[in-house]
Amino acid sequence: DAGVTQSPTHLIKTRGQHVTLRCSPISGHKSVSWYQQVLGQGPQFIFQYYEKEERGRGNFPDRFSARQFPNYSSELNVNALLLGDSALYLCASSSGPVGLNGEQYFGPGTRLTVT
Amino acid sequence: AQSVTQPDIHITVSEGASLELRCNYSYGATPYLFWYVQSPGQGLQLLLKYFSGDTLVQGIKGFEAEFKRSQSSFNLRKPSVHWSDAAEYFCAVGARANNDMRFGAGTRLTVKP
Repeated sequence: DAGVTQSPTHLIKTRGQHVTLRCSPISGHKSVSWYQQVLGQGPQFIFQYYEKEERGRGNFPDRFSARQFPNYSSELNVNALLLGDSALYLCASSSGPVGLNGEQYFGPGTRLTVT
Repeated sequence: AQSVTQPDIHITVSEGASLELRCNYSYGATPYLFWYVQSPGQGLQLLLKYFSGDTLVQGIKGFEAEFKRSQSSFNLRKPSVHWSDAAEYFCAVGARANNDMRFGAGTRLTVKP
């Protein structure tokens, strides 16, 4: 079985632009979470979606939004990009809500650079 | 909300030596606890997890960790380190009450030949 896949692998954007990152969970998994990992730090939780509903949100501004599709894939959107949004964006999938069984599997990430 | 502290930013050990990476968490109830490893440019790989039951958990690649409630700790150990273990290690805590996972800042492991 394929693991969690993310696209694109790398992305370079200019300040003020908009970006969309994509994630496909492991087959059979219904939950997707998004994390931001700034260089030299641990991942920070952005969103969790389960069964197409938002189940958790981290401390990120409204410029960050996400959605989950009927096939359980997910998009993370970031508007009005700032230099500080430069990071590795990780997607993780799990079979149920994180609060239920906790175990997540991570994708390789999308490296976003904002110039 | 839950939180995690990894006191050691960088640790260097010789190949074949034992390893212990420290992790302290803060959470009012019994947490889920995890150790992940991240190689440069890669995503996170789960090494082991604690949900409940036996406080000594075994993971992949010869790693183990012990949950000590009285010390709010979940330290990662390996009896003999291999050069391929050089990577960044993250401790994480999840909560049954919410749906997010909090990660520590990570410990970078360097293995000397």
